[in-house]
Amino acid sequence: SSELTQDPAVSVALGQTVRITCQGDSLRTYYASWYQQKPGQAPILVMYGKNNRPLGIPDRFSGSSSRNTASLTITGAQAEDEADFYCSSRDSNDVVFGGGTKLTVL
Amino acid sequence: QVQLQESGPGLVRPSETLSLTCTVSGGSVSSGSYYWTWIRQPPGKGLEWIGYIYYSGTTNYNPSLKSRVTISLDTSKNRFSLGLTSVTAADTAVYYCARISSVWFEVGYWGQGTLVAVSS
Repeated sequence: SSELTQDPAVSVALGQTVRITCQGDSLRTYYASWYQQKPGQAPILVMYGKNNRPLGIPDRFSGSSSRNTASLTITGAQAEDEADFYCSSRDSNDVVFGGGTKLTVL
Repeated sequence: QVQLQESGPGLVRPSETLSLTCTVSGGSVSSGSYYWTWIRQPPGKGLEWIGYIYYSGTTNYNPSLKSRVTISLDTSKNRFSLGLTSVTAADTAVYYCARISSVWFEVGYWGQGTLVAVSS
């Protein structure tokens, strides 16, 4: 199965915009989904499909995709957005996760 | 609102079989719209997909674990189960059960997770 690659860590100043990226061959065929995980908690879905946000996810979260790269953008990052973020996609009939990006809000 | 709850031993001895069950409420495991999945996360590390089962009983497993994994479905009790044989310390992780949508393949609902330690 293919792999998804994420930057291990990203930081953003409070109120600024940050983009978290995910690269992999499966993304040429399938959309990524994105998960936020805070310490000691289960991940929660924050973005999926072309640019779909589950109910309750703030609209400062948005998603995009180009060729083999998917991106999650947070416009106006808040302190509560500090977390680990994981991308995932379908890969034929399998599921693959990225290694995760630790987002620090300064 | 769909809820998933993992249950099973928190400690398993090396070489033995890890067995967990996920009880689903607020939704049916017999629905053709979803795949029922297991995902794990070793302490301090990332997420790893283990496998899933469809309402028909069709399964698919992570190639790296395929030889040791079995996922089964119990529609009468609305639950599904994970079996992982010949465990080692490397199998120590938080194990999550979850639901995958068949449309976008997103994991929309997760259990709270259960820590399983492999130790003698």
